[in-house]
Amino acid sequence: GQNIDQPTEMTATEGAIVQINCTYQTSGFNGLFWYQQHAGEAPTFLSYNVLDGLEEKGRFSSFLSRSKGYSYLLLKELQMKDSASYLCAVKPRGSNYQLIWGAGTKLIIKP
Amino acid sequence: DTAVSQTPKYLVTQMGNDKSIKCEQNLGHDTMYWYKQDSKKFLKIMFSYNNKELIINETVPNRFSPKSPDKAHLNLHINSLELGDSAVYFCASSQVIGSGAGNEQFFGPGTRLTVL
Repeated sequence: GQNIDQPTEMTATEGAIVQINCTYQTSGFNGLFWYQQHAGEAPTFLSYNVLDGLEEKGRFSSFLSRSKGYSYLLLKELQMKDSASYLCAVKPRGSNYQLIWGAGTKLIIKP
Repeated sequence: DTAVSQTPKYLVTQMGNDKSIKCEQNLGHDTMYWYKQDSKKFLKIMFSYNNKELIINETVPNRFSPKSPDKAHLNLHINSLELGDSAVYFCASSQVIGSGAGNEQFFGPGTRLTVL
């Protein structure tokens, strides 16, 4: 079967750094996406990884290890507005359209 | 300019009724999707259309029927609504560019359906 695992909830402090992990078992691999979803809003795209390594975008970075079926999203200099759910999604091999979605990690930022 | 729009934003209705949700995207994308997000926040794909052709049809009750009049619109009709249909329904679109980057999905604001 196809499976994506993420922690259900994490708590971090404003100004700190937090790493949200995602492990996946899918029928092949064709890319991994991270999305941010604020409460009551739509998911919005954060990052895409298809090759091993780190992709940096401002305060957010995403890492991928295909051999380990593992990714993480790193958020630096946390702000209160970063309180949201973070969704990991994998595109299986042979699929141009379908994503396999994780259940999301709810990140709570405390002052 | 709204990239992916959905109407209505809120829908409250009685069990047994039939309702429709409309979605439009002005991004020029060739693929559109319907997702259901339940109270546990898990996003579940329901349908996908590529250039008006149904390409993903997950295990969904046949009370749910999508319709794509053109590649900018994807509507969802639900017959005989049940309590378990209460959820947030998201429309999304993407432009498929081979198997490379750039085909992230853009989501509409969601339709909150409550069945009483």
